[in-house]
Amino acid sequence: GQNIDQPTEMTATEGAIVQINCTYQTSGFNGLFWYQQHAGEAPTFLSYNVLDGLEEKGRFSSFLSRSKGYSYLLLKELQMKDSASYLCAVLDSNYQLIWGAGTKLIIKP
Amino acid sequence: DAMVIQNPRYQVTQFGKPVTLSCSQTLNHNVMYWYQQKSSQAPKLLFHYYDKDFNNEADTPDNFQSRRPNTSFCFLDIRSPGLGDAAMYLCATSSNRGTTDTQYFGPGTRLTVL
Repeated sequence: GQNIDQPTEMTATEGAIVQINCTYQTSGFNGLFWYQQHAGEAPTFLSYNVLDGLEEKGRFSSFLSRSKGYSYLLLKELQMKDSASYLCAVLDSNYQLIWGAGTKLIIKP
Repeated sequence: DAMVIQNPRYQVTQFGKPVTLSCSQTLNHNVMYWYQQKSSQAPKLLFHYYDKDFNNEADTPDNFQSRRPNTSFCFLDIRSPGLGDAAMYLCATSSNRGTTDTQYFGPGTRLTVL
């Protein structure tokens, strides 16, 4: 079966750095997405990785290792507004998005 | 600026009373998706339209139907809502199917079943 694993919840301090991990086992791979979802709102697109390595976009960076079936989202200089769930989703060989359940990130002052 | 619009944002219905949720988009995307998301769970794809071509997921209950009268609009009909159908319903669009195109989501409709 297809599986995406993420930690259920993480806590970090305002101004710090946090890394949210995602591991996947899917039938084929056509890229990995990270979405941010604030409570009661829709997911918003953060990043897309299809090649190995680190993609940096402002305070957010996303890393992919296809050989390890592993990705992480790195958030720097954390702000209170970063409190949200972060969803990892993989595009499989049929171009279907397989979603993780999300990691709830709690930011404390 | 809104690109994917869902109405209403909050919907309350009674057990067994049909309800329709709507989605519209200004992106002129070919593909529209309906997802169901329960608290702290991953979004679950119910079905999608590629243009007028309807694609139902194998495990989507018959209680859920969809209509896409034109490119811009898509509706989700729940014929006889049960308590287990209370969830956030998300509409998303993408330019094409079978590609790496990003899916863009509407704000969602939170459905409560009394």
